[in-house]
Amino acid sequence: RKEVEQDPGPFNVPEGATVAFNCTYSNSASQSFFWYRQDCRKEPKLLMSVYSSGNEDGRFTAQLNRASQYISLLIRDSKLSDSATYLCVVKTLAGGTSYGKLTFGQGTILTVHP
Amino acid sequence: DAMVIQNPRYQVTQFGKPVTLSCSQTLNHNVMYWYQQKSSQAPKLLFHYYDKDFNNEADTPDNFQSRRPNTSFCFLDIRSPGLGDAAMYLCATSRDGGWSATWVYGYTFGSGTRLTVV
Repeated sequence: RKEVEQDPGPFNVPEGATVAFNCTYSNSASQSFFWYRQDCRKEPKLLMSVYSSGNEDGRFTAQLNRASQYISLLIRDSKLSDSATYLCVVKTLAGGTSYGKLTFGQGTILTVHP
Repeated sequence: DAMVIQNPRYQVTQFGKPVTLSCSQTLNHNVMYWYQQKSSQAPKLLFHYYDKDFNNEADTPDNFQSRRPNTSFCFLDIRSPGLGDAAMYLCATSRDGGWSATWVYGYTFGSGTRLTVV
């Protein structure tokens, strides 16, 4: 079983649509959670951190359910510029340290069309 | 701007010919990572440095080595590249900010080096 699993999509949605991505992780010791965005042939860029209480950044809302080991990302009012691959990422602390290693999901491809 | 810089952006190497990819950072982060990302796959951690301490992932082939001569620079050496090593190689940094601070820190990635093996 992969440490971080995502539905690879692709998701094809019209502008203005609401789209939701889901992710599950297997390591219950994971400490931090993120959504990254990756454009074609570019490096991943941090979209937002995910907190237990849920958090929102403009049109983006992230949720975390530690009991179910489940993370979600909701994008409202999709824009053409939202087209990208969205990577679910978990951080697990390296043993005996206070920093972590990131483990990436395969990514979910989103295409927003006019 | 402070950033993570990878050189070159594109690298073509011959099968079996050693190649070195470089990464530099101006963030003064003490942790540096190398990831390999093949087409349509997730980035996969190869190894990381915490200061001068090297940490290899268990499934990283011996063909991959790394050097970190100082805080700012880190190199990825592929001793004998095979066709299966063609990928995007991503360098990333983070800081060890203590238990509470680590919670929200993601990584800062370089733009990557796309390696082609011919």
